[in-house]
Amino acid sequence: DQQVKQNSPSLSVQEGRISILNCDYTNSMFDYFLWYKKYPAEGPTFLISISSIKDKNEDGRFTVFLNKSAKHLSLHIVPSQPGDSAVYFCAARPNFGNEKLTFGTGTRLTIIP
Amino acid sequence: ETGVTQTPRHLVMGMTNKKSLKCEQHLGHNAMYWYKQSAKKPLELMFVYNFKEQTENNSVPSRFSPECPNSSHLFLHLHTLQPEDSALYLCASSLRDRGPNEQFFGPGTRLTVL
Repeated sequence: DQQVKQNSPSLSVQEGRISILNCDYTNSMFDYFLWYKKYPAEGPTFLISISSIKDKNEDGRFTVFLNKSAKHLSLHIVPSQPGDSAVYFCAARPNFGNEKLTFGTGTRLTIIP
Repeated sequence: ETGVTQTPRHLVMGMTNKKSLKCEQHLGHNAMYWYKQSAKKPLELMFVYNFKEQTENNSVPSRFSPECPNSSHLFLHLHTLQPEDSALYLCASSLRDRGPNEQFFGPGTRLTVL
């Protein structure tokens, strides 16, 4: 049973527009959420995170929103740039066991110039 | 070398072979991890080492044997693997017990079992 779900395997967005990547989770014990970005032939790279005590965290062009009641988080990228084309993974962990990350299957984002 | 390095980057082996994957981190971290990524599946945590001690074995078959001689090096010894073990094996490291401890990943070893 997948506890972290990314239901869109792929997404295409025009350069300059907003990219919105979604993630849903089922485990109410998850307390900390992360987004990773992966280019081909490279390992995932940490992008941005959010604790459950917040509903929004912003870092430059990247903003993560958390809706705990809906068990849903989203990553907004604005404006989207060609270098943002990659696979994006959502991950979650319970605060008490802070090393065990549970990942989603990823969403492949393609930015169209 | 900086970050997390993994060797080899690609490995093809037969089911009767014995091979080892190596991971090294140059970040001063104290926790290291092995993950498996199969096609169209999420990354699956296999093993966790904190301060060289194994703290997590996520029901991994015994044909995968990890070794952590020090906090900078991590090995995954492979023997009598099956074709379904073909996958991308990723190593990661983090600084544990210092608040949110984002994991830093290596580039992975693409393993093919014939």
